Amino acid sequence: DQQVKQNSPSLSVQEGRISILNCDYTNSMFDYFLWYKKYPAEGPTFLISISSIKDKNEDGRFTVFLNKSAKHLSLHIVPSQPGDSAVYFCAASASFGNEKLTFGTGTRLTIIP
Amino acid sequence: DTGVSQDPRHKITKRGQNVTFRCDPISEHNRLYWYRQTLGQGPEFLTYFQNEAQLEKSRLLSDRFSAERPKGSFSTLEIQRTEQGDSAMYLCASSPLYTEAFFGQGTRLTVV
Repeated sequence: DQQVKQNSPSLSVQEGRISILNCDYTNSMFDYFLWYKKYPAEGPTFLISISSIKDKNEDGRFTVFLNKSAKHLSLHIVPSQPGDSAVYFCAASASFGNEKLTFGTGTRLTIIP
Repeated sequence: DTGVSQDPRHKITKRGQNVTFRCDPISEHNRLYWYRQTLGQGPEFLTYFQNEAQLEKSRLLSDRFSAERPKGSFSTLEIQRTEQGDSAMYLCASSPLYTEAFFGQGTRLTVV
């Protein structure tokens, strides 16, 4: 059972525009959410996180929104830059202690110059 | 800070052979995790350690898999009697308590 779902395998966005990546989850016990970015031949790199007590967290060009009632989160990147081209994974944990992350299948983002 | 280091980066082995991977976490990180990633999927949790204690194991970790973290420093993941289904990227990550995990570059295992 896929507890964390990223339904868009790929997304292409013009440079300078907003990229919106979506993630849905089914497990009500999840209360901490993270986004990781992965380049080819490298391990995932942490981008931004949000706990369930918030509905928004911002870090520079990256903002994560959490809608707990819909069990949905999204990552907004604005403005998008060519270096943002990568695979983005949504991950969730049942505690802020982060012992065990459940990942989605990823969305490949391509920024078109 | 050299980051999480994994060795080897690539391993090709024949079915039935045993393999061992090593992970050196960021120094003084209490927690160390192992994940496995197959093509088109996200990383899947295998196991984690807090210092030298192995606190959780996924049901994905069959009895052919064993992980250790002696003295709470580096960790090893051994797969005995490898099968073609074991072919995957094996990722190690580490973290201090209560913060995000930092991943290594992974070990790509191919079982032929």
